[in-house]
Amino acid sequence: AQSVSQHNHHVILSEAASLELGCNYSYGGTVNLFWYVQYPGQHLQLLLKYFSGDPLVKGIKGFEAEFIKSKFSFNLRKPSVQWSDTAEYFCAVRPQAAGNKLTFGGGTRVLVKP
Amino acid sequence: GAGVSQSPSNKVTEKGKDVELRCDPISGHTALYWYRQSLGQGLEFLIYFQGNSAPDKSGLPSDRFSAERTGGSVSTLTIQRTQQEDSAVYLCASSPPKGKGETQYFGPGTRLLVL
Repeated sequence: AQSVSQHNHHVILSEAASLELGCNYSYGGTVNLFWYVQYPGQHLQLLLKYFSGDPLVKGIKGFEAEFIKSKFSFNLRKPSVQWSDTAEYFCAVRPQAAGNKLTFGGGTRVLVKP
Repeated sequence: GAGVSQSPSNKVTEKGKDVELRCDPISGHTALYWYRQSLGQGLEFLIYFQGNSAPDKSGLPSDRFSAERTGGSVSTLTIQRTQQEDSAVYLCASSPPKGKGETQYFGPGTRLLVL
C-alpha cells in the first residue's frame, strides 16, 4: 500500500531560522502532491500543491516545496520562519490513477520560539 | 465565499449510541470526502463521493460506519453503536469538478468523544 512519510514529528526553532520539512512517498506512478497546514485551533488549509510543470512550487506565506521525482520527495521549505508559523504541517499525496483520495503523512508539529 | 461547514462542532456520546455528523460542501463542488484525524493514526481517508458515481468506501473502518450524500450536496456520516476508539476529529472536504483544480478544501471538523 502506498504511504507518505514525514520524517520529523516535532521541530522547534527560533524566529528567523530556516525550516525544511521532509516528505517521502512510496507510490511509483504519477502523483499530485500537497502541503496542508493546521494552525492552532483552526482547520486544515492548503499551503501549496504540485500537479505538473516546474518542480519548485511556491505557496502562501513564503513557503515553497520541491518535487524530486527520483527521490519520491516533496520537501517543504521556508527561509526565515516567524512565530506565526507555529502549526502542524501535513504532506499529502494523490496518485492520479487511484481516484481522488488523499493519503496523508503523520504530520510535523512546528514550534517557533519568539 | 462560504467554505465547507460541519455540524456539530463537538459531540459527546456514550458508548453504544449512534451519531450523525453533517457536512455542507462548498457550493458547486462535485466531490465530497470524509477523513478522520485521531491520535496515533494521523489523517485517514474514510469515504469519497463524486457526482452521481458510486462512492469509494474503501476507507471505512467497519460496517458501523456509513455515509450518504443527498442531492449531490449535503453529506451525513453515521456511526452506529459507537466505540471509544471512534473518538476523533471527523473532517469533511470538498473539491471542484475535474479539470478545475481538484484541490480539496477542508471544513473545521467535528470533534467526537465517545465515553
